Amino acid sequence: EAGVVQSPRYKIIEKKQPVAFWCNPISGHNTLYWYLQNLGQGPELLIRYENEEAVDDSQLPKDRFSAERLKGVDSTLKIQPAELGDSAVYLCASSPGGGGEQYFGPGTRLTVT
Amino acid sequence: GENVEQHPSTLSVQEGDSAVIKCTYSDSASNYFPWYKQELGKGPQLIIDIRSNVGEKKDQRIAVTLNKTAKHFSLHITETQPEDSAVYFCAASLYGNQFYFGTGTSLTVIP
Repeated sequence: EAGVVQSPRYKIIEKKQPVAFWCNPISGHNTLYWYLQNLGQGPELLIRYENEEAVDDSQLPKDRFSAERLKGVDSTLKIQPAELGDSAVYLCASSPGGGGEQYFGPGTRLTVT
Repeated sequence: GENVEQHPSTLSVQEGDSAVIKCTYSDSASNYFPWYKQELGKGPQLIIDIRSNVGEKKDQRIAVTLNKTAKHFSLHITETQPEDSAVYFCAASLYGNQFYFGTGTSLTVIP
């Protein structure tokens, strides 16, 4: 069974530029999470989807971050415009829901210069 | 919200020795406690988990214990090997919804 797929794996952009990350969850997993992980820290939730509905986006900085999960499968996380402080690893995870285990993708390492 | 504290932040052990990582949580309603292993450049990998109706769970060299009264849970790795070297994260969750992570423990197994 394929795991959570994320792309790109690495991205370097200049500040004020836009950037987008893509995630394909494990087949059949209804719950999808986007996390931010700073160096030396644990993951911090940005947004959680149940199917195509964003059920928890309280930690998403909505002035510059947006996300979508059309058709309840793939998801895209966008930052526009990027700031220096956005440099981090962006992790996608999925879960079958109903209290099931959460599985992470390899992450996208973003560097904003 | 939930607050998860994890100790120690770094841990070095000799190959073959045991390693123990401890976490405490604040929300007594949390009922699911996974542990993740993260190697450099990779995403966290689920290695073991425990639910609040169980006090202990073991999978080969890895075990997790949960004390609901004291609100703490621990990861035990026996007969450590160099490939166990990684950063380990604990987490607490209510019904697998929002997950709250500890700050991580960097484990080094010295050959």
